[in-house]
Amino acid sequence: DAGVTQSPTHLIKTRGQHVTLRCSPISGHKSVSWYQQVLGQGPQFIFQYYEKEERGRGNFPDRFSARQFPNYSSELNVNALLLGDSALYLCASSLGPGEDGYTFGSGTRLTVV
Amino acid sequence: AQSVSQHNHHVILSEAASLELGCNYSYGGTVNLFWYVQYPGQHLQLLLKYFSGDPLVKGIKGFEAEFIKSKFSFNLRKPSVQWSDTAEYFCAVATTGGYQKVTFGIGTKLQVIP
Repeated sequence: DAGVTQSPTHLIKTRGQHVTLRCSPISGHKSVSWYQQVLGQGPQFIFQYYEKEERGRGNFPDRFSARQFPNYSSELNVNALLLGDSALYLCASSLGPGEDGYTFGSGTRLTVV
Repeated sequence: AQSVSQHNHHVILSEAASLELGCNYSYGGTVNLFWYVQYPGQHLQLLLKYFSGDPLVKGIKGFEAEFIKSKFSFNLRKPSVQWSDTAEYFCAVATTGGYQKVTFGIGTKLQVIP
């Protein structure tokens, strides 16, 4: 079934490098949100995009950025990677910015060495 | 800013035992409330949600939760757990209006022993 798809599933990067994570929402969903889940913690909100505009931003440094494309897919970019950026990055889609619950993807496991 | 507290980080129960997982939130305005579940090796799934109306919400797989506004609580319950309920459970709160920033609790790992 065409749920929320994220790519890649796993990624290893070196400190200081840049990474791009990708997300395709469920068909018909116009809102995409990004979360960071560190081991032993709940997901933490990074960004929400709706209709290609940033609608919300969590407490993350400017090294984190994102965008949403006309087909509602989204990219999360992280520059100047730190060891502490190692985490599971989750994408979630919803119909609108404040509707329903989220449908989550399986995530991208990022390891920074 | 809103926050979510889950009181039990690790719960071990025998099959057929009753379950109650505590969740309290802090936020002065109107909120939407959720419970998500993450089964081993799987992604987060929505278990149930409360937006308005009847404060007793029924979700999938026999789970229910009760919103008590005066206590800022949204506890998850199940009368009789099964081994297949072994998972991590996350309580989440979202502010309403404009956009939906969802704040998650730290999670509760539930282990059900056959």
